[in-house]
Amino acid sequence: QVQLQESGPGLVKPSQTLSLTCTVSGDSVTSETHIWTWIRQPAGKGLEWIGRIYTIGSTNYNPSLKSRVTMSVDTSKNQFSLRLTSVTAADTAVYYCARASVDGGVIVDSWGQGTLVTVSS
Amino acid sequence: DIQMTQSPSSLSASVGDRVTITCRAGQSISTYLNWYQQKPGKAPNLLIYAASTLQSGVPSRFSGSGSGTDFVLTISSLQREDFATYHCQQSYIFPLTFGGGTKVEI
Repeated sequence: QVQLQESGPGLVKPSQTLSLTCTVSGDSVTSETHIWTWIRQPAGKGLEWIGRIYTIGSTNYNPSLKSRVTMSVDTSKNQFSLRLTSVTAADTAVYYCARASVDGGVIVDSWGQGTLVTVSS
Repeated sequence: DIQMTQSPSSLSASVGDRVTITCRAGQSISTYLNWYQQKPGKAPNLLIYAASTLQSGVPSRFSGSGSGTDFVLTISSLQREDFATYHCQQSYIFPLTFGGGTKVEI
């Protein structure tokens, strides 16, 4: 059974870069049947898709964040990562890493527990 | 982006009630629609995918229907453990988009 675990700083200063890593167990980030994605949720609000990465290097980002987002994969550690630059208070949220299948649409079938990132000086 | 609109945003119900939640897409998405349940402080959990297919392990009191732009999640007999927030998500095209969520309260 796949498990995902987010890690990274819980507090980031405005204008700095948010960096999170997701460690995957029970599956491979080089899987050809799954994509790896980041989703966030501000407190009391809905879910926002940030982007996805597929095997090595193929990415799609939410246009609303595209200029600030980079995702990457480390196959040696079976991890994938998120970088979000120039953060503001509006980026404060719980960040989830997740796995999605791509058979018949993009179906997010496994989620990490989530990590709260607060943007504040 | 495809806008997803859920209604109601919240509802009050009792154990044993039949509950329906609606999700409307801003354009046709065929049956590329998924439903998730989220409990406080927890990650969402997949309930239904492709509009009507129950995820393995999900109780049969949950069902989904719809195609095109209009979709419905039904809980046939609400149980205590079903009090949660429900989210729809279109998987037709990137960027993936979610509805605003429906909170089911006692």
